[in-house]
Amino acid sequence: GQNIDQPTEMTATEGAIVQINCTYQTSGFNGLFWYQQHAGEAPTFLSYNVLDGLEEKGRFSSFLSRSKGYSYLLLKELQMKDSASYLCAVLESNYQLIWGAGTKLIIKP
Amino acid sequence: SAVISQKPSRDICQRGTSLTIQCQVDSQVTMMFWYRQQPGQSLTLIATANQGSEATYESGFVIDKFPISRPNLTFSTLTVSNMSPEDSSIYLCSVARLAGVYNEQFFGPGTRLTVL
Repeated sequence: GQNIDQPTEMTATEGAIVQINCTYQTSGFNGLFWYQQHAGEAPTFLSYNVLDGLEEKGRFSSFLSRSKGYSYLLLKELQMKDSASYLCAVLESNYQLIWGAGTKLIIKP
Repeated sequence: SAVISQKPSRDICQRGTSLTIQCQVDSQVTMMFWYRQQPGQSLTLIATANQGSEATYESGFVIDKFPISRPNLTFSTLTVSNMSPEDSSIYLCSVARLAGVYNEQFFGPGTRLTVL
């Protein structure tokens, strides 16, 4: 069956680093997306990984291990504006996106 | 990136009526999708809008309730028919360019629907 797991909620301190994990079991694999969604707004694209390894983009990095069905999103130098939900989504072989429930990240001063 | 607009941005409707939501993209895209997101929930895919043919609906969603059109590669509509309060949600248009190792998917700003 299809399943994507990520923690429901995480709390971190401004200026620190946080890692949000995502594990998946899907029908085929064509890549994994991370999105950021602020309350009341549409999701915005953060990253896309299809090959194993780490992709760095400024303060955000995303890692993928296809053999382990595992990804993480790493946020460095946290800012208050990073408080949002972070959604993990897997693109299956038929190009359907399977979504995780999202991780609500709370940043404290 | 793709610039996506949706109309209306929000609406309050009466039970039993229908609302059509429009999605316009500034460039041709491979695929267009319609999602629903209820308060505090993650995204739920309603259907994939196919150009020139019937949309592909996910389990739990039917064409009579959510008719979809996609006359060309840059425009689609979703109609929410015979609405009930349970249809109150944010409806999101999403577009994707799928090209092997470089896939992108973007979302429109959403339409916030309240059914009384």
